[in-house]
Amino acid sequence: DTEVTQTPKHLVMGMTNKKSLKCEQHMGHRAMYWYKQKAKKPPELMFVYSYEKLSINESVPSRFSPECPNSSLLNLHLHALQPEDSALYLCASSQGLEGRRAKLFFGSGTQLSVL
Amino acid sequence: DAKTTQPNSMESNEEEPVHLPCNHSTISGTDYIHWYRQLPSQGPEYVIHGLTSNVNNRMASLAIAEDRKSSTLILHRATLRDAAVYYCILKKMTTDSWGKLQFGAGTQVVVTP
Repeated sequence: DTEVTQTPKHLVMGMTNKKSLKCEQHMGHRAMYWYKQKAKKPPELMFVYSYEKLSINESVPSRFSPECPNSSLLNLHLHALQPEDSALYLCASSQGLEGRRAKLFFGSGTQLSVL
Repeated sequence: DAKTTQPNSMESNEEEPVHLPCNHSTISGTDYIHWYRQLPSQGPEYVIHGLTSNVNNRMASLAIAEDRKSSTLILHRATLRDAAVYYCILKKMTTDSWGKLQFGAGTQVVVTP
């Protein structure tokens, strides 16, 4: 199984809603990532987890709250988002953070629309 | 952080080779050169990476200049399935930057039958 599965594929939410994005992998990878991608732009790194601990936070606003409950799961909790947060949210995983182990496997993303 | 420069787009005929250039004149000794591609409606996909020597795998070849200030990704025989945005990325291998894979603008490859 070389897949990273993201759910839901599409999400529409209001600015006062609370929602969560889910990401799952069963490759035994110990690093997991969240990226944000606006239309026609490259992906931007948001968070990196290594061995279920937050390793990198790229100064992301607190309305985005990541969680890594175990080595296979990564969540992104959303609260009080703004319309400009509408984007494709991509999850990725890798064996580790360094060398050949840092090859990333990406999911297909969750397309988020904030109204 | 060292940056990469790629052409916005390139066009190729099917079954012809494609040479995708990438300039990285400020590359440092701890930077690896990674290439990913993103097909429409999908997440990025790893293509290849290297440090100093040329690299080959089943997807592509990576030719790295002797001074490492530029590199070229070579798709040997383009197929329609190779139409994608190709990203050239410098990845530091220092402990304070482990895990950081930061994408540049990329090159849109169009393959015509």
